This record gives sequence, C-alpha cells and structure tokens, in this order.
Amino acid sequence: DAGVTQSPTHLIKTRGQQVTLRCSPKSGHDTVSWYQQALGQGPQFIFQYYEEEERQRGNFPDRFSGHQFPNYSSELNVNALLLGDSALYLCASSLRNRYEQFFGPGTRLTVL
Amino acid sequence: AQTVTQSQPEMSVQEAETVTLSCTYDTSESDYYLFWYKQPPSRQMILVIRQEAYKQQNATENRFSVNFQKAAKSFSLKISDSQLGDAAMYFCAYVEGFGNEKLTFGTGTRLTIIP
Repeated sequence: DAGVTQSPTHLIKTRGQQVTLRCSPKSGHDTVSWYQQALGQGPQFIFQYYEEEERQRGNFPDRFSGHQFPNYSSELNVNALLLGDSALYLCASSLRNRYEQFFGPGTRLTVL
Repeated sequence: AQTVTQSQPEMSVQEAETVTLSCTYDTSESDYYLFWYKQPPSRQMILVIRQEAYKQQNATENRFSVNFQKAAKSFSLKISDSQLGDAAMYFCAYVEGFGNEKLTFGTGTRLTIIP
C-alpha cells in the first residue's frame, strides 16, 4: 500500500518565477491538504482539496493556488516567487471527515 | 483562533530514561482532536499518538503515552525507555471536530537522545 508521495524532492527557483509541486495521496484517500514549513517552524496550513474543489484555506496570498484531479492527486502552484517562499512543502492526505492525516516526505523549495 | 504552544524548544534524555514533552493549546471548541507528530531528519512527518477530546482516558501507544488535561488545555507526551531512534522534532497538533481537517501545529521540540 503506497503512502503519500510528492515530487520533486528538491527544487531551486529564482525570485519571480513560478513553481508547481505534485502530490499523490495514500491509496483510498480522497482529501489532500498542503502545508508550508519554514525552517525551524511548525507546518502552516495552506489549503485543502476535496472533490476537486478548494474547501478550506489558510492565511496565504492568492499567489498560492492548487488543483485536485479526478484521481485525487493534487498540485500546488506558487506564482511570483519571493525569497520568503523558501520552505519545505508538505502534502497530507486523509479520508473526508476523518481527522487523521498522513504526510508525504515533502518538497524542499529554495528561492534565490 | 486556535493556537498550540510548545514551550520547550529543545530537550535531551539519556537512552532508556523517560522524558516528557509539554504542549498547551487554546480553543473555545468542545469537540476536537490532539496529536503528536514526529519529524526525523528524513523530514517525513509521522503520527505518534492521538487523543480525542471527548475521551477521558489518556491514549497510549507502546512506549508513548499522553497526559491530557482538558480543563487546563494541556497535552503532554511521555516517552518511556527512550531509544536512539526517538531523536527527532516533535510537534503537537490540534484539529477541530468532525468535518474540519485543518491541522494547527506548535513550533516543535527537538529531542536529543544521549547514548
């Protein structure tokens, strides 16, 4: 049973560029949440997708957007990258209305 | 807004000894869930233990147990018989009840195991 997978593992971008991160949920899960973890901090909730729609959103600007596909996989897009966007981006999957979330290994984004 | 506070940035313990990590939270909700996650250097966030707020009995998972004090809004993690593999960042996390799956995390406690 495959767990949550994320790609790529690492990514280096320059300011102003755009980036897309990808996540495949654990088998059987239908809900995907994205978190940003800055160095030395706890993860911060970005948004959550269910039935291909954004259901909840944290305190992040519109530069952060996402998508969920019919197979429940998800993408996180960040436009106009800032130095402050450098972080570990974690994807978590769950069953809708179930509180337990399973995390992927994350994508380390560095913005130069 | 819900907040989670971990007041111990770093802790250390001798191998085979017991250590307790502290966590407090603030909420006006009566139905919620609490978690401890472990994040080793590999970065993978691993669920260690969970507690439903409506349950009075403290959760236990092998060497890991919690002390849940609902009135005090306190949720500490006790690790017994500490092992080298327990070395990691530990995060306390909160989620509201049924239908709301946004996890709110504390800032973490770095646990070092001394051989």
